[in-house]
Amino acid sequence: GDSVTQTEGQVALSEEDFLTIHCNYSASGYPALFWYVQYPGEGPQFLFRASRDKEKGSSRGFEATYDKGTTSFHLRKASVQESDSAVYYCALGPYTNAYKVIFGKGTHLHVLP
Amino acid sequence: EAAVTQSPRNKVTVTGGNVTLSCRQTNSHNYMYWYRQDTGHGLRLIHYSYGAGNLQIGDVPDGYKATRTTQEDFFLLLELASPSQTSLYFCASSDRGMGAETLYFGSGTRLTVL
Repeated sequence: GDSVTQTEGQVALSEEDFLTIHCNYSASGYPALFWYVQYPGEGPQFLFRASRDKEKGSSRGFEATYDKGTTSFHLRKASVQESDSAVYYCALGPYTNAYKVIFGKGTHLHVLP
Repeated sequence: EAAVTQSPRNKVTVTGGNVTLSCRQTNSHNYMYWYRQDTGHGLRLIHYSYGAGNLQIGDVPDGYKATRTTQEDFFLLLELASPSQTSLYFCASSDRGMGAETLYFGSGTRLTVL
């Protein structure tokens, strides 16, 4: 079945460090790919999406490029801030005849001042 | 901004108890979802619906029922609650169409089954 794999469960960085969170997917169709962010005590919220190969999504300094060849959608940010500390989820779907949205297990980012 | 409201915010019940979690969205979205969130598992889809009266099975449906009574309201039912269902539950909604599949989440219901 369709799935999303986030390699890192936890990431600890200092302010101004470069961030990469790896996301790989497996899907039989051609899904849309998403990143969501969840701050403590809140529900996840949409960060950005991409729906076709080589498309780049971006928001708030975060970006990711849809790569169908490597089935990846890695999240990157050039310089993290303490306020970026949160859980980040990669997700796929929905697409034709598959309306559900599938999430990875999430990556907890801790940014130290 | 899409609004999804969940109630109650917290719920404690005993094993074998009957629990209903409520979700209402006020943005005329077609799709509604129930997820549970657990450490080490992330967000897992329980049930979802694409309209009033419709119900689709998600990835972890065992022990849960759901009902979509109107376009706005989606309920999750635990008829014989078990400790393994202790979790943080999120409801979400989305529309359908190109670029419109973004999920809007509620603030969650924390359920404890003793």
